[in-house]
Amino acid sequence: DTAVSQTPKYLVTQMGNDKSIKCEQNLGHDTMYWYKQDSKKFLKIMFSYNNKELIINETVPNRFSPKSPDKAHLNLHINSLELGDSAVYFCASSQSSGYTFGSGTRLTVV
Amino acid sequence: AQTVTQSQPEMSVQEAETVTLSCTYDTSENNYYLFWYKQPPSRQMILVIRQEAYKQQNATENRFSVNFQKAAKSFSLKISDSQLGDTAMYFCAFMRFDYKLSFGAGTTVTVRA
Repeated sequence: DTAVSQTPKYLVTQMGNDKSIKCEQNLGHDTMYWYKQDSKKFLKIMFSYNNKELIINETVPNRFSPKSPDKAHLNLHINSLELGDSAVYFCASSQSSGYTFGSGTRLTVV
Repeated sequence: AQTVTQSQPEMSVQEAETVTLSCTYDTSENNYYLFWYKQPPSRQMILVIRQEAYKQQNATENRFSVNFQKAAKSFSLKISDSQLGDTAMYFCAFMRFDYKLSFGAGTTVTVRA
């Protein structure tokens, strides 16, 4: 199917662990993103890559590191997880006129 | 920085009736896109409707239409003939030239049978 797919859908982990979320799009879009949706449902951009190059890096702790091996993939690695990192993380891609979102990864840090 | 304001945290509407969600935004740019996204309990983000700022004509998608007032920086969404499946959180969003999408805080819409 044509889509933005991210894995895993759910992730439960202990404080201090390191985890990764993977994202892939087969839409041929040049730009990919990570957004965080907090417990109050507020959505905020974290990172944006255009053709493997970082173009937007919002104020995010450096424990979060995105990696784009090619323009179809954008992974998010999180070191030393904290309770406050619990949220839903959305991957998305875009061309000129809109976004397509993945189905989200619910991360719970215990 | 762009800010998007949705002043209605919650709205309730009877099935088959009409509901209008408000959205205002702040920008100094002249060219941009505006969107409404729907997020049902499944948490999937679904594009409802899109408006290009350079187009004066209001966008329409079936039962969904917008009232875009560029000078007033207002972008409201009207849902006509509301259906139970419209129950969701609705986000207004602004996209600028670098494709950064800024969201409002969302409005929870409940359609009552």
